[in-house]
Amino acid sequence: DQQVKQNSPSLSVQEGRISILNCDYTNSMFDYFLWYKKYPAEGPTFLISISSIKDKNEDGRFTVFLNKSAKHLSLHIVPSQPGDSAVYFCALTSSNTGKLIFGQGTTLQVKP
Amino acid sequence: DSGVTQTPKHLITATGQRVTLRCSPRSGDLSVYWYQQSLDQGLQFLIQYYNGEERAKGNILERFSAQQFPDLHSELNLSSLELGDSALYFCASSGQGATPYEQYFGPGTRLTVT
Repeated sequence: DQQVKQNSPSLSVQEGRISILNCDYTNSMFDYFLWYKKYPAEGPTFLISISSIKDKNEDGRFTVFLNKSAKHLSLHIVPSQPGDSAVYFCALTSSNTGKLIFGQGTTLQVKP
Repeated sequence: DSGVTQTPKHLITATGQRVTLRCSPRSGDLSVYWYQQSLDQGLQFLIQYYNGEERAKGNILERFSAQQFPDLHSELNLSSLELGDSALYFCASSGQGATPYEQYFGPGTRLTVT
């Protein structure tokens, strides 16, 4: 039973363009949503988060959008840079449990 | 640098053996989480400790156990190791305040069981 899905295993974009990474979930109990970036042989690095009471949160080049009715989360990176090339995971949690449920990840390649 | 440290970085051992993985959380964080990342399962939650007490459990095998000590560091003990236990093991910590759900991960321990 996969509660969190990142349906695109990979994404390739040109430097300077927008990268859009998507995440779908099935359970309405989630009320806090996070994005992590991961390089090979390193731990996930926290990027940005959003709570269920908001539909958008921005931090520099990164914006997270939440559509609760569609149970859909997206991360926009603009402008994309070659250093953004990594695996991106969405992770969801609920306020009554601390554990994060991760998607399978999307590998982003930003071409110079 | 997340501020979370894990040792050792790599561990190679044989089936049937027992190993201990160590984690030190960020300064001031009371919660410690353990996750397993294997090739076919992605990142899976194992267990959470909060200020020395077990708070939540995921799909952690009975052969695995963990504890959090008074100085807040945590250890994950894996026993009767099997080939399928080969994976990356990550520790994460989180604090109190406005963003208690944001977890910060250590660099991981790569366990290879031969």
